[in-house]
Amino acid sequence: GAVVSQHPSRVICKSGTSVKIECRSLDFQATTMFWYRQFPKQSLMLMATSNEGSKATYEQGVEKDKFLINHASLTLSTLTVTSAHPEDSSFYICSARRNGTQYFGPGTRLTVL
Amino acid sequence: AQKVTQAQTEISVVEKEDVTLDCVYETRDTTYYLFWYKQPPSGELVFLIRRNSFDEQNEISGRYSWNFQKSTSSFNFTITASQVVDSAVYFCTLRGFGNEKLTFGTGTRLTIIP
Repeated sequence: GAVVSQHPSRVICKSGTSVKIECRSLDFQATTMFWYRQFPKQSLMLMATSNEGSKATYEQGVEKDKFLINHASLTLSTLTVTSAHPEDSSFYICSARRNGTQYFGPGTRLTVL
Repeated sequence: AQKVTQAQTEISVVEKEDVTLDCVYETRDTTYYLFWYKQPPSGELVFLIRRNSFDEQNEISGRYSWNFQKSTSSFNFTITASQVVDSAVYFCTLRGFGNEKLTFGTGTRLTIIP
């Protein structure tokens, strides 16, 4: 069964609005979660590492003020895309590590009009 | 630095044929972990297998088998008697010991033709 859930699966929003994506680990605690972005026909690109109770670690080139990450509990991390623009349209995927293996959520397809 | 190379960008085979997906990796870590994930059209990455660097046993799971060759830094994946449901993008990934991040290959898009 699913190990990591993600919500929503799809979201369409207007340019300038903010969108929040939730990532939950199911039946296990995850002190660390990961957020990826995937463009069509490309591999996954790590955006940031989310750490429970502390600030996220962002990869080079990722704007931390645009992609806000909050890891408030051991089972929930959220990614908020602030002031979204059409170029933020993408497939966002989260993952959590359990016993050394990363398990991925089903992804969120964001479309910014 | 770590690197994973999946030289095959796209592969198409007729149903019931066997197919092997290649994966070559580079790492300076003496202990590391290799993974294969399947990404079907729905988008969710499905974990298939994890292999520790100190365990060179090959593994078989139903129609799937993996060949880990440390001497050639390869971790190839074979699907026997392919089925249409095997159509997906397959990613080979690497994680060094003590490193939380995964290094992804570019993926191989496998299409099984009915």
